Amino acid sequence: DAMVIQNPRYQVTQFGKPVTLSCSQTLNHNVMYWYQQKSSQAPKLLFHYYDKDFNNEADTPDNFQSRRPNTSFCFLDIRSPGLGDAAMYLCATSVGATYNEQFFGPGTRLTVL
Amino acid sequence: AQTVTQSQPEMSVQEAETVTLSCTYDTSESDYYLFWYKQPPSRQMILVIRQEAYKQQNATENRFSVNFQKAAKSFSLKISDSQLGDAAMYFCAYRSANTGNQFYFGTGTSLTVIP
Repeated sequence: DAMVIQNPRYQVTQFGKPVTLSCSQTLNHNVMYWYQQKSSQAPKLLFHYYDKDFNNEADTPDNFQSRRPNTSFCFLDIRSPGLGDAAMYLCATSVGATYNEQFFGPGTRLTVL
Repeated sequence: AQTVTQSQPEMSVQEAETVTLSCTYDTSESDYYLFWYKQPPSRQMILVIRQEAYKQQNATENRFSVNFQKAAKSFSLKISDSQLGDAAMYFCAYRSANTGNQFYFGTGTSLTVIP
């Protein structure tokens, strides 16, 4: 089945220790998104790629970076995680046309010790 | 940026009854798309239903239907014959038809289904 896969599902890191979350998709969608979602809150868009074009939200901290080496994969790098970065991180994809909905992965739950 | 408001943080419904979740949005655009997403506990978010702003007819998907009032900028979700599996967080989302690929989400409504 075509899908959005996130690894790992649960990630524990130490305060200040860099961490990378990964997302892959078999849908061949050209847009990929990273969201941060804290408990019982709406997903907050961090950035998205339209093909290779990177689009950063204005309020995304510099601590968060992303890479998209090819259509299928996208990575979220947190350079120096703080306690406030503990959250669920959601990857989503869509086709570029605006009619289309987003398809979400199951998320990675990040814990910062 | 557009704003999406869900004024009901929590709702409950008896099994087999009907419940309506509210959503309002603020935009100056005339062409856009609206979505309802469902996020069950510890499970991934999935699309429930979508509506194109240029369509006057309200979207329907089985037990799920919307009441789209463009002038009022309102987009409510009606769930009929509620089932235990409908218990989840529901998010309303907006996407422009003309500018960018961003989706704007409301803060969500947590729906409890009472057996």
